[in-house]
Amino acid sequence: EAGVAQSPRYKIIEKRQSVAFWCNPISGHATLYWYQQILGQGPKLLIQFQNNGVVDDSQLPKDRFSAERLKGVDSTLKIQPAKLEDSAVYLCASSVPGTVGTETQYFGPGTRLLVL
Amino acid sequence: ILNVEQSPQSLHVQEGDSTNFTCSFPSSNFYALHWYRWETAKSPEALFVMTLNGDEKKKGRISATLNTKEGYSYLYIKGSQPEDSATYLCAFHKAAGNKLTFGGGTRVLVKP
Repeated sequence: EAGVAQSPRYKIIEKRQSVAFWCNPISGHATLYWYQQILGQGPKLLIQFQNNGVVDDSQLPKDRFSAERLKGVDSTLKIQPAKLEDSAVYLCASSVPGTVGTETQYFGPGTRLLVL
Repeated sequence: ILNVEQSPQSLHVQEGDSTNFTCSFPSSNFYALHWYRWETAKSPEALFVMTLNGDEKKKGRISATLNTKEGYSYLYIKGSQPEDSATYLCAFHKAAGNKLTFGGGTRVLVKP
């Protein structure tokens, strides 16, 4: 079974530029998550989709971040414009809906973003 | 804001030695605790999901215990090997919530 795919793996941009990340979840996984992991901290949930609907985006900085999941499969996360503090690893994960709280999340390898 | 703390932040272990580290979480409104292992340049990998007080889980040389009343979980690595080098993350799921709150991780380096 193919895992969660993410691209690009690495990205370096200057502040105020825009950047987009792509995620392809495991086939059949209805739930998709985007996390931000800043060095030295744990992953923080940015947005959670169930199929193509948003379940939780309470921690998404909506003035600069946006995400979409067209057709309930692939997803893109965009930052526009980027700030220095956006330097982080962006992780995508997916899961099969089950008993809430006990579903295993399957993670992609992440995109490492450096904003200069 | 939920506080999930892991200690220590990092530790060095000699190959063959056993080690353990802690995840602390709110004892109220507990629902589930997850452990993940994240090796450098790879994807985080699920180790355990624990829901019951007193739960013990084991996977090979790695095991975990759970105390929901006092709000902590221990992860143990028996006879550490270089391939155990990774960051170990715990994540707390509160009752009636819909997301995981991760701790900052414990970075383990096993020296040959």
